Amino acid sequence: DQQVKQNSPSLSVQEGRISILNCDYTNSMFDYFLWYKKYPAEGPTFLISISSIKDKNEDGRFTVFLNKSAKHLSLHIVPSQPGDSAVYFCAAVKPNTGNQFYFGTGTSLTVIP
Amino acid sequence: KAGVTQTPRYLIKTRGQQVTLSCSPISGHRSVSWYQQTPGQGLQFLFEYFSETQRNKGNFPGRFSGRQFSNSRSEMNVSTLELGDSALYLCASSATGSQTYEQYFGPGTRLTVT
Repeated sequence: DQQVKQNSPSLSVQEGRISILNCDYTNSMFDYFLWYKKYPAEGPTFLISISSIKDKNEDGRFTVFLNKSAKHLSLHIVPSQPGDSAVYFCAAVKPNTGNQFYFGTGTSLTVIP
Repeated sequence: KAGVTQTPRYLIKTRGQQVTLSCSPISGHRSVSWYQQTPGQGLQFLFEYFSETQRNKGNFPGRFSGRQFSNSRSEMNVSTLELGDSALYLCASSATGSQTYEQYFGPGTRLTVT
């Protein structure tokens, strides 16, 4: 039962343009959401997070938007750079469950120079 | 600070064997979680250990087990290996295991079952 879904396995974007990665979830109990980036042969690295009490969080070129009514979040990268090429995972957490993350299946982003 | 380390990085086992994977968390981190990554399934939560106690467990069969030592190092064991257990096994550590949701991942152990 995949409670967090990333329906786009891959995305290609020109350097300098905006990259938008999407994530949907089914469980309304989730109260915290994170995005991780993963390069080949490395573990995922934390990128940005958002609490369910917010609808937007920004960190430099990265912005995460949360639409609770639609159970949808998105990651915007502006401007996109070739070094952003990686697999991006969204993850969700329920309250009082420690560090049990529910991950999506990932979106492979390619930024074309 | 040294990051999360996992050993071995690569492993080839035969169906029916058992395997033990090791994870050393970042110094001072008391929570260690394990995940299985397979193509098309993303990262699936196996279990979390905090202060030597299993705090959460994912939906995996009892062949998957783990433990945590007093120095926070953790091991994961898979018995009676099946072909479907071939995956990248990732461990992650975090500082408090409660309010802070940032987890730091190791590079993973690539297990191949033949």
